[in-house]
Amino acid sequence: EPEVTQTPSHQVTQMGQEVILRCVPISNHLYFYWYRQILGQKVEFLVSFYNNEISEKSEIFDDQFSVERPDGSNFTLKIRSTKLEDSAMYFCASSRAASNQPQHFGDGTRLSIL
Amino acid sequence: QKEVEQDPGPLSVPEGAIVSLNCTYSNSAFQYFMWYRQYSRKGPELLMYTYSSGNKEDGRFTAQVDKSSKYISLFIRDSQPSDSATYLCAMSASKGGSEKLVFGKGTKLTVNP
Repeated sequence: EPEVTQTPSHQVTQMGQEVILRCVPISNHLYFYWYRQILGQKVEFLVSFYNNEISEKSEIFDDQFSVERPDGSNFTLKIRSTKLEDSAMYFCASSRAASNQPQHFGDGTRLSIL
Repeated sequence: QKEVEQDPGPLSVPEGAIVSLNCTYSNSAFQYFMWYRQYSRKGPELLMYTYSSGNKEDGRFTAQVDKSSKYISLFIRDSQPSDSATYLCAMSASKGGSEKLVFGKGTKLTVNP
């Protein structure tokens, strides 16, 4: 069964450094998402992306964050200058359409900011 | 009032028990309702996906949606130790272009052999 894959599984970075989290969505999916889950808290929406544009973003997704689909298979989340509070699990998800199609999630990247 | 509320548990049951998991929500615009299962150090895995009110059954799992009460449930019959995981409810409103999911906090379930 096709799945969403994320790399790396764990990323340790010094505060203030840039980090790029990578995702390969399911191949025939057109909508892409990033969520994050701080330890012990809810899974929270960050951003959705379709047709090479951001469709929607949350208030968490400030100017330090950016997303890109650099080629036909990868979808990346960049955090420009990491803060301690960016430590969390980051999940990528994809769906075939926006409406009436479920989102499928990867296993996440655990980001630890020191 | 929080947008989606879910009792975090933990919930511990013997093998073979019927498990009932629930979420309430406040946003009447929600139309799509999902249950995800999350094992430790893994991503959410889709279990059930329903639109609007009613019941949906898939094997040992039944999802119920009551939009009038803003209440959704997941029932697990003949629970197995392999069902031990955190169960997340999630929901979205159709906005024609983005289906941001809003999650509950998750209920941690342990099924004891």
